[in-house]
Amino acid sequence: DTAVSQTPKYLVTQMGNDKSIKCEQNLGHDTMYWYKQDSKKFLKIMFSYNNKELIINETVPNRFSPKSPDKAHLNLHINSLELGDSAVYFCASSPGGQKGNQPQHFGDGTRLSIL
Amino acid sequence: AQSVAQPEDQVNVAEGNPLTVKCTYSVSGNPYLFWYVQYPNRGLQFLLKYITGDNLVKGSYGFEAEFNKSQTSFHLKKPSALVSDSALYFCAVRGPYNTDKLIFGTGTRLQVFP
Repeated sequence: DTAVSQTPKYLVTQMGNDKSIKCEQNLGHDTMYWYKQDSKKFLKIMFSYNNKELIINETVPNRFSPKSPDKAHLNLHINSLELGDSAVYFCASSPGGQKGNQPQHFGDGTRLSIL
Repeated sequence: AQSVAQPEDQVNVAEGNPLTVKCTYSVSGNPYLFWYVQYPNRGLQFLLKYITGDNLVKGSYGFEAEFNKSQTSFHLKKPSALVSDSALYFCAVRGPYNTDKLIFGTGTRLQVFP
């Protein structure tokens, strides 16, 4: 069973388009995250939701909008895609609790390429 | 501000030899430290963590890490490297204000040669 699953695995699209990435976790965790990994493999958090509530919102352009319909799902919608958005986007989850002492479980990533 | 540094972009080691991947940290408050591994085209996998207690932490796949408060280090170690250990390794620290946010180092690529 896949614990954290993301779709699609690959996404190739034109500049200016709008796209969504979906994430689901079956671990029963309360907290979910979106991370961006750039071409140099640098990994940075974008958003975090705890039980459908936004709790971390890093300095991310407004074109990125996360949505959590329930605590098992966290989707990422990106408007007006730009070349600089090309990256690998990882979803993760953890039991949460705002203690920071639990490991996070990662999906296998969505590789977004902007043409 | 919380941060971790991984001073080596790449570490090369022969199979069967011990390996060390270095990490130093800078935090306010008690450090919560983590090591993750990333294989090609995969997400990060948790290896081990230090929250409190014994300075030597044992984790998955035979890895361990030593927390050293005086040197603000949390180096990852393994007594005998395997070719299959070749991957990208990330050190991470809990973010400020007791959040669940992780702040990652820049990663160290470990190459184990047969």
